[in-house]
Amino acid sequence: AQKITQTQPGMFVQEKEAVTLDCTYDTSDPSYGLFWYKQPSSGEMIFLIYQGSYDQQNATEGRYSLNFQKARKSANLVISASQLGDSAMYFCAMREGRKTSYDKVIFGPGTSLSVIP
Amino acid sequence: KAGVTQTPRYLIKTRGQQVTLSCSPISGHRSVSWYQQTPGQGLQFLFEYFSETQRNKGNFPGRFSGRQFSNSRSEMNVSTLELGDSALYLCASSFRGREYEQYFGPGTRLTVT
Repeated sequence: AQKITQTQPGMFVQEKEAVTLDCTYDTSDPSYGLFWYKQPSSGEMIFLIYQGSYDQQNATEGRYSLNFQKARKSANLVISASQLGDSAMYFCAMREGRKTSYDKVIFGPGTSLSVIP
Repeated sequence: KAGVTQTPRYLIKTRGQQVTLSCSPISGHRSVSWYQQTPGQGLQFLFEYFSETQRNKGNFPGRFSGRQFSNSRSEMNVSTLELGDSALYLCASSFRGREYEQYFGPGTRLTVT
């Protein structure tokens, strides 16, 4: 069964510092995708970054990078140079299957990040 | 390009009633997914549609149903509302071949009294 674990319910980070949000997953399917979403207080989910299980390199998108450790089944999100606007809930998610035939998306419980000026 | 739109944004219903929520995906997106978000259960997948066909379904009772039209717009319906159906209902659309990159709408906040 699919499962996503985010062990940090809440985190604080100083503005301009880097922060790592943890995510571990459980799947027996060799093909899967991992995602991170941001949900500000406004409620709208924002796609941040994607990592495929067969991707050789860690994904990066601007200030966001995904530290993918396949053997440990972890997909931590690293935010560099935190900004006040980064304060939000962050969700790790997974979808089993190949790009042409995906299964449903499973979300983790989320981590609340607060950036301190 | 306009984002995903959901209507209505807020809704108050009483137990036993039914409700229909609407989602218009980003132009060119043919895949639409629905999620329920509650403080207790978090984000849970409801169903996914592609080209008017339900492609995936989550673990929700039959009171929850959906459909997709030829223009990719989607609706979800909840019949015989229960208090536990109070939630934020999120719709997301994605481009074919990039289903991992979902663009979410602002959601519909449903309150059942």
